[in-house]
Amino acid sequence: DGGITQSPKYLFRKEGQNVTLSCEQNLNHDAMYWYRQDPGQGLRLIYYSQIVNDFQKGDIAEGYSVSREKKESFPLTVTSAQKNPTAFYLCAVGVDANSPLHFGNGTRLTVT
Amino acid sequence: SQQGEEDPQALSIQEGENATMNCSYKTSINNLQWYRQNSGRGLVHLILIRSNEREKHSGRLRVTLDTSKKSSSLLITASRAADTASYFCATDTGGGNKLTFGTGTQLKVEL
Repeated sequence: DGGITQSPKYLFRKEGQNVTLSCEQNLNHDAMYWYRQDPGQGLRLIYYSQIVNDFQKGDIAEGYSVSREKKESFPLTVTSAQKNPTAFYLCAVGVDANSPLHFGNGTRLTVT
Repeated sequence: SQQGEEDPQALSIQEGENATMNCSYKTSINNLQWYRQNSGRGLVHLILIRSNEREKHSGRLRVTLDTSKKSSSLLITASRAADTASYFCATDTGGGNKLTFGTGTQLKVEL
């Protein structure tokens, strides 16, 4: 989706290092979401933000942190406290949960 | 927690056939959405059906919703090889402005 940019596409890190995944949008939507997807699995919600300077934990927030200083940006930090960080991370943007979400193309994180 | 469970987990059909996948969920919803995901890519929204609707169409897609059974189905008619993807249902329970996704159905359409 051209309106949502996730970078980088692939990311490799050593165990014990924090890493930050970028998500930028130009759709001017208030709500932004981070999901994690493991192979052959559905999406699980990590964090979401409905407005600048506010965010809420999702179902699997442990070991992750976020910030929402600007409407356009919602970076996700995977900390060393996350036990199994290797996964496909998807950022989504929407008006609200009663409307369709627009997804970025994801960042595949590999931690060794 | 997984609100939705899709069935079957995997489906293989021939081009031209119809594909039906089902989604069951656990709690009351405001709406249910279907998404498609090509391998290694983000999800693409297909269709949204509200809790007071029973059926919705979009091109070759037909979605039904039965709130009494807490289930929905997605029918793709006259399937094409390009329909090969994973399909997910997602529900908004109305408490927290967030969507919860199911486990997905992997559809393979063979020539």
